[in-house]
Amino acid sequence: DAMVIQNPRYQVTQFGKPVTLSCSQTLNHNVMYWYQQKSSQAPKLLFHYYDKDFNNEADTPDNFQSRRPNTSFCFLDIRSPGLGDAAMYLCATSRDLAGSQETQYFGPGTRLLVL
Amino acid sequence: QKEVEQDPGPLSVPEGAIVSLNCTYSNSAFQYFMWYRQYSRKGPELLMYTYSSGNKEDGRFTAQVDKSSKYISLFIRDSQPSDSATYLCAINTGKLIFGQGTTLQVKP
Repeated sequence: DAMVIQNPRYQVTQFGKPVTLSCSQTLNHNVMYWYQQKSSQAPKLLFHYYDKDFNNEADTPDNFQSRRPNTSFCFLDIRSPGLGDAAMYLCATSRDLAGSQETQYFGPGTRLLVL
Repeated sequence: QKEVEQDPGPLSVPEGAIVSLNCTYSNSAFQYFMWYRQYSRKGPELLMYTYSSGNKEDGRFTAQVDKSSKYISLFIRDSQPSDSATYLCAINTGKLIFGQGTTLQVKP
């Protein structure tokens, strides 16, 4: 059973054209994360939502925004994609943020190509 | 110095070999250690989770933490071609701090 679903799996966009990536979860987890993973690199946390509270990482560019309209869905908006934004974007969820024992469950990722 | 360092490989072994994957970390306060497996073009999946020092075994997989040397290891016994993937170590501080990942290829 799919638990963290990402759509689309592949997204092609044009330089500067806004794009939205989607994530949904069936786990009813409180926390949803967005990571960027470039080829042969570690996933890099962009931001996370704890319920409706948005937490941005200090080094996440302003070009990246996120929305979480309800518990199940979270969106990643890239306002003006550049060539350097081509990457795999991973959504993850965890039941809670408190403590360090929470497991994060990842979706399959959306591979973004910027032309 | 990066918080977590991992040799990216690639590592190529014959089927049936014992595989050793390793990471080092910088902060002695870290206590929660994870190994994720990531198949090509897929999201990471949690493989093993350990707390503090010691070993944890799950089938062919053993995770080991040596806090005195700030060294974490994942051992795979009787490796199979289906084990071919990228293995990411991670420290859980409430956020996940990932290593770069080691790409493993097990040849039949």
